[in-house]
Amino acid sequence: DADVTQTPRNRITKTGKRIMLECSQTKGHDRMYWYRQDPGLGLRLIYYSFDVKDINKGEISDGYSVSRQAQAKFSLSLESAIPNQTALYFCATSDFVRGEAFFGQGTRLTVV
Amino acid sequence: KQEVTQIPAALSVPEGENLVLNCSFTDSAIYNLQWFRQDPGKGLTSLLLIQSSQREQTSGRLNASLDKSSGRSTLYIAASQPGDSATYLCAVGSENTGNQFYFGTGTSLTVIP
Repeated sequence: DADVTQTPRNRITKTGKRIMLECSQTKGHDRMYWYRQDPGLGLRLIYYSFDVKDINKGEISDGYSVSRQAQAKFSLSLESAIPNQTALYFCATSDFVRGEAFFGQGTRLTVV
Repeated sequence: KQEVTQIPAALSVPEGENLVLNCSFTDSAIYNLQWFRQDPGKGLTSLLLIQSSQREQTSGRLNASLDKSSGRSTLYIAASQPGDSATYLCAVGSENTGNQFYFGTGTSLTVIP
């Protein structure tokens, strides 16, 4: 089983719909992250969490919200999806000491 | 804000050639630097992690170096193989922003058999 698991792997949704992307990890790490990847723009940070009670906005948080339900679970929500949120979304974790990042396989989201 | 640049954006080499990928960053206050490989439409696979106190790391045919003062890292791939074809991403963990990772846009490598 993968250390960082994202569900769903692919999703097509309509403009205006609410959608949730889920991430779970078995690494035992406190730190979790959500990124989006767009062609030519690289990965950009949406939100990050250093523990269950610590949630921080990243570079591009507008239009997104997150929930850290437990140390192992971190969900990303799009309250009202719009077409320019079409992207590849990645969840990642890292440990406090070495800071090495581990990524999930990604969720390809298409908003039509 | 940390800016990370990777050059070249794309590279095509014949099999067996040694090659170097470059990564530069603007803020030297880094916690670490990590190189990843990404196959089309797939997730990121960690290749090498260099802590800010280290100068280089090696794994098999891969060697990554770090020069914090000049804001540069290189990834050296020896004896390239077609299976090395992928996009290589550099990510910098920034000390000033709680070890957020900042990514370059990657180098797309094609190794021609």
